[in-house]
Amino acid sequence: AQSVSQHNHHVILSEAASLELGCNYSYGGTVNLFWYVQYPGQHLQLLLKYFSGDPLVKGIKGFEAEFIKSKFSFNLRKPSVQWSDTAEYFCAVRGGSYIPTFGRGTSLIVHP
Amino acid sequence: GAGVSQSPSNKVTEKGKDVELRCDPISGHTALYWYRQSLGQGLEFLIYFQGNSAPDKSGLPSDRFSAERTGGSVSTLTIQRTQQEDSAVYLCASSLGGTGGSGELFFGEGSRLTVL
Repeated sequence: AQSVSQHNHHVILSEAASLELGCNYSYGGTVNLFWYVQYPGQHLQLLLKYFSGDPLVKGIKGFEAEFIKSKFSFNLRKPSVQWSDTAEYFCAVRGGSYIPTFGRGTSLIVHP
Repeated sequence: GAGVSQSPSNKVTEKGKDVELRCDPISGHTALYWYRQSLGQGLEFLIYFQGNSAPDKSGLPSDRFSAERTGGSVSTLTIQRTQQEDSAVYLCASSLGGTGGSGELFFGEGSRLTVL
């Protein structure tokens, strides 16, 4: 069975600070990895995904994530956050089935 | 619209009543998922439909929960004899499914269920 662990449940930053949200997964085979974002009052939407190839993946709004297979990790990063990045962030893994498993989410608050 | 549509957006019901939640996926998407989002609990998988295949019901928490998908399009999630612990936001998502597509799920706005 696959599982996902997000270590930070609540993160509070000031604008221009750097961001790194941790995500570790448990699955022994080939995986597809995703980060989704839910802005206040909006539906979940894809931020970025990794399927294969370059383990450093770039997404929308300046976000990137690095797949480190040896650490079973897929951490999300952004060098300089903005107030508009305030949202809930979910990491997801899809292993042997077509059903993604989601983490508990990280609530990010960015103060202007 | 072109997105995933869910109704109702909010539902308040009394314990013991039955509720139906509806999802209209993006046209052409063969895969449809139901998840439940409880406060601080992330997204809990409930059920997955892919084309005309038998659905994967492995996430349904009890036999009070059921879902169907008619004509490979609209889906209805039914909760019978609701309990207070059923209170959550029920999310529907669709994708191109199978070996095609990018694996990206497109989510609806959700149906917030409150059981009194």
